[in-house]
Amino acid sequence: EPEVTQTPSHQVTQMGQEVILRCVPISNHLYFYWYRQILGQKVEFLVSFYNNEISEKSEIFDDQFSVERPDGSNFTLKIRSTKLEDSAMYFCARRQGYEQYFGPGTRLTVT
Amino acid sequence: EDQVTQSPEALRLQEGESSSLNCSYTVSGLRGLFWYRQDPGKGPEFLFTLYSAGEEKEKERLKATLTKKESFLHITAPKPEDSATYLCAVHTSGNTPLVFGKGTRLSVIA
Repeated sequence: EPEVTQTPSHQVTQMGQEVILRCVPISNHLYFYWYRQILGQKVEFLVSFYNNEISEKSEIFDDQFSVERPDGSNFTLKIRSTKLEDSAMYFCARRQGYEQYFGPGTRLTVT
Repeated sequence: EDQVTQSPEALRLQEGESSSLNCSYTVSGLRGLFWYRQDPGKGPEFLFTLYSAGEEKEKERLKATLTKKESFLHITAPKPEDSATYLCAVHTSGNTPLVFGKGTRLSVIA
C-alpha cells in the first residue's frame, strides 16, 4: 500500500505552460516534502511543508514554484511557467519520525 | 556542505554472487542514514534507517551497516529480482531534508 498517491502519473506540457502536480496522503500527517529527480541524476529536495506552511525550500524552488494544501488534505506543487529543464520525476514524501516515505511520482515532460 | 557519495555507480552480479555497495558521507552531524531501493520510473522504496556507528539492520538478503564515515549495503546470494538502483541518503539536523547520493545501479543476472 503506497504511503501517498500522486496524480497524474505522467504529464506532458508545452514550455511556458502552468502545471499542477498533486499528492494525496493516505493518512493525516503534518510533514511533507517535494523532491525531483532529473533523469540519471540525484533525488533533489525542493520544499518541505509542515502544518500547512512552507518549512524550508531549496535554491531550485524559485518564484516559478508554489505549494498549497487547498482542501486540508491534498498537496499541490505548481510550476507557473514550465521550462525544458523542469522535465523530471517529481516525488511527494511524508515524514514519520526521521524516516521519509515516497509516493510513486509524477513524470513531467516539457516539450 | 553535506555530501553523499555512492560507489560503484553500477554493479553487475551473477545470481548468488554476494557483494557490497558503499555509501560514504561528509556531514556536519548525522541524525540518520537511510537506504532506499528504486525501480525504474518508480519512487524510492524505504529499506533501512541507521542512526549510530556500529548499528546493523537486516532484511531478507540485505544487510546495512554504519561507521562514522560510511555505510555498506551487503547483498547475500542476490536474485534477479534484487536488480534496482539502491540509494543512500542522510538526515543531518532538525527538519532538514534528506540529501541523496547518486545511487548504485545493481543488475543481477540469472
